[in-house]
Amino acid sequence: KQEVTQIPAALSVPEGENLVLNCSFTDSAIYNLQWFRQDPGKGLTSLLLIQSSQREQTSGRLNASLDKSSGRSTLYIAASQPGDSATYLCAAPLGRTPLVFGKGTRLSVIA
Amino acid sequence: DTAVSQTPKYLVTQMGNDKSIKCEQNLGHDTMYWYKQDSKKFLKIMFSYNNKELIINETVPNRFSPKSPDKAHLNLHINSLELGDSAVYFCASSVGGRTEAFFGQGTRLTVV
Repeated sequence: KQEVTQIPAALSVPEGENLVLNCSFTDSAIYNLQWFRQDPGKGLTSLLLIQSSQREQTSGRLNASLDKSSGRSTLYIAASQPGDSATYLCAAPLGRTPLVFGKGTRLSVIA
Repeated sequence: DTAVSQTPKYLVTQMGNDKSIKCEQNLGHDTMYWYKQDSKKFLKIMFSYNNKELIINETVPNRFSPKSPDKAHLNLHINSLELGDSAVYFCASSVGGRTEAFFGQGTRLTVV
């Protein structure tokens, strides 16, 4: 069964701290991986798409890495802010399914 | 300038009714999707559709049917609504099935 797993399920950090969110997947032949942000009651905002040929992708304070051989991706958030509080989801096309989602990491950044 | 838009945003209806949710994308994408987010916030694919192929998640009841009048629209029609259909439904689109996907704001369906 093709799966995407995210740990931890929830994370609370003080403002200013750097943090890492983890995502693992079962298919080493992954084509790409996408990180999303979801605010309560809102839709999904695409943060970063990292292709299988890339090892890293950066956007502002966000940096995503991809290690196909180990089946892992990480999302690094630098200098966290209260506005970063949201649920972060990773997803990848696995098998015939366009995007298989993890269950997300709920991040709280405390001022 | 909304890229993927869904209507309505909220839908409250009684069991047994038939309802539709509309989705439109102005990104020029050729593939559209419907996802269901359950009460535990888990997102699962329901349908993937482009002008060539409809891929149905086999766990989706046949009361759910996608209807695409053109490449920019993929509507979701639900017959004989049940309490368990209450969820948030998201529409999304991309180029092909393996490029960056963009999501709508979701439709919160409540069946009473």
